[in-house]
Amino acid sequence: QKEVEQDPGPLSVPEGAIVSLNCTYSNSAFQYFMWYRQYSRKGPELLMYTYSSGNKEDGRFTAQVDKSSKYISLFIRDSQPSDSATYLCAMSANFGGAQKLVFGQGTRLTINP
Amino acid sequence: GAVVSQHPSRVICKSGTSVKIECRSLDFQATTMFWYRQFPKQSLMLMATSNEGSKATYEQGVEKDKFLINHASLTLSTLTVTSAHPEDSSFYICSASPAGQETQYFGPGTRLLVL
Repeated sequence: QKEVEQDPGPLSVPEGAIVSLNCTYSNSAFQYFMWYRQYSRKGPELLMYTYSSGNKEDGRFTAQVDKSSKYISLFIRDSQPSDSATYLCAMSANFGGAQKLVFGQGTRLTINP
Repeated sequence: GAVVSQHPSRVICKSGTSVKIECRSLDFQATTMFWYRQFPKQSLMLMATSNEGSKATYEQGVEKDKFLINHASLTLSTLTVTSAHPEDSSFYICSASPAGQETQYFGPGTRLLVL
């Protein structure tokens, strides 16, 4: 079992739809939770960052963390074609004295005009 | 803020040659930088953690003599792929963490093709 599980998709939705992306994890040592967006042939771009259970909103994006269930989500409202990308969840914990990120596999999302 | 650059963005080289990739944090100081490798349609795989002024820490299975990392200043880390072979062809991405933060900011990546 991987430490971080993420459905790779692909996920295809019409423009304007609400998108829900999810990850589960097994290691309770994870303290910080991030969502990155990666366009093809580009480096990942940090979208959201949180460290506590609950919701965090930034524009059309909402990150949700449920530590008791080891489950995180990213919601995208009023989705746009420009949101088409691969979305990676990432979690941070201290491994052997170093803070490291563990990534999910990434979900490929396509927003259709 | 929190911009990370990489150079070159793309490189093609012959088998047996060495390639150096630079990673710079442009608007912040990074005591720690990270080097990742990404294969097509796969997630990022951490290769090594680079700390300014000290030796890099390599992940299991990553050859430290093949992937030389130097973190000479708080804004620059370099990855040198020595004696590159076709199987080293990949997308290499660096990231940097501002001091006191847990987040990592990623560079745009370097696509390496070894012929």
